[in-house]
Amino acid sequence: DVKVTQSSRYLVKRTGEKVFLECVQDMDHENMFWYRQDPGLGLRLIYFSYDVKMKEKGDIPEGYSVSREKKERFSLILESASTNQTSMYLCASSSVGAGSSAQHFGDGTRLSIL
Amino acid sequence: AQSVTQPDIHITVSEGASLELRCNYSYGATPYLFWYVQSPGQGLQLLLKYFSGDTLVQGIKGFEAEFKRSQSSFNLRKPSVHWSDAAEYFCAVGLFTGNQFYFGTGTSLTVIP
Repeated sequence: DVKVTQSSRYLVKRTGEKVFLECVQDMDHENMFWYRQDPGLGLRLIYFSYDVKMKEKGDIPEGYSVSREKKERFSLILESASTNQTSMYLCASSSVGAGSSAQHFGDGTRLSIL
Repeated sequence: AQSVTQPDIHITVSEGASLELRCNYSYGATPYLFWYVQSPGQGLQLLLKYFSGDTLVQGIKGFEAEFKRSQSSFNLRKPSVHWSDAAEYFCAVGLFTGNQFYFGTGTSLTVIP
C-alpha cells in the first residue's frame, strides 16, 4: 500500500512565524499535492509538483510556498503565518498523469495559528 | 466553468438502510471519476474509481458507483449502511489534459441506530 506520511498531526504556531509542513511518500510517485480543508469549502489545492524541483500553483497559493528537492518529499512553507491560515492541511501523491491517477492521502496536519 | 457538485451537504440514514450519495460534474469530455471517504481526523481514502468500460464499478467496504454519461453523474451507493460508514464522502474528477483534479465539497453522512 502507498504510504503518505505527514510529519505532524497537530501543530500550534504564532502569527508571523515561518512554518514548515513536511510530507513523505514511499511509492516513487511523480506527483505530490498540498491541499487545505476548511468546513463547507471542501479541499482546495495550494500547490502541486509533478517532478523534483518542479511546482505549479493551485487555486490558493497566496501566502504559501513549496519545496521539492527529493522525489519522495514535498514541503509546504508558510512564509509568515497568519490566523486565516488556521486549517487542516492534507498532502497527497499520485503516479504519472495527475488527472487520471488516484491520489493517496496522508492523515493531515491540523494547524492552529495563534 | 468546470465543476464538481455534491448537492447534499449532509445526509442521515438508519443503520441497515440503503444509501445513495449524488455527484454531478460539468466537463466537456468524460473525466476520470473517483469517490473518497474521510473518517473524522483522518486523511482521504479511495473507495473506488472509474476510468472506462463497465459503468457500474465496485469498491471497497461494500460500496459501488454508477457512471451515467447522459446525466453527467457518478452516484455512490451502498445497499445496507453500517454505523462505521459515518464519515465525509468526496467525489472527485480528473482530467488527463493539464493534469487537473477537482474535488466536490463533500457530503457528511450520519448513521443512526
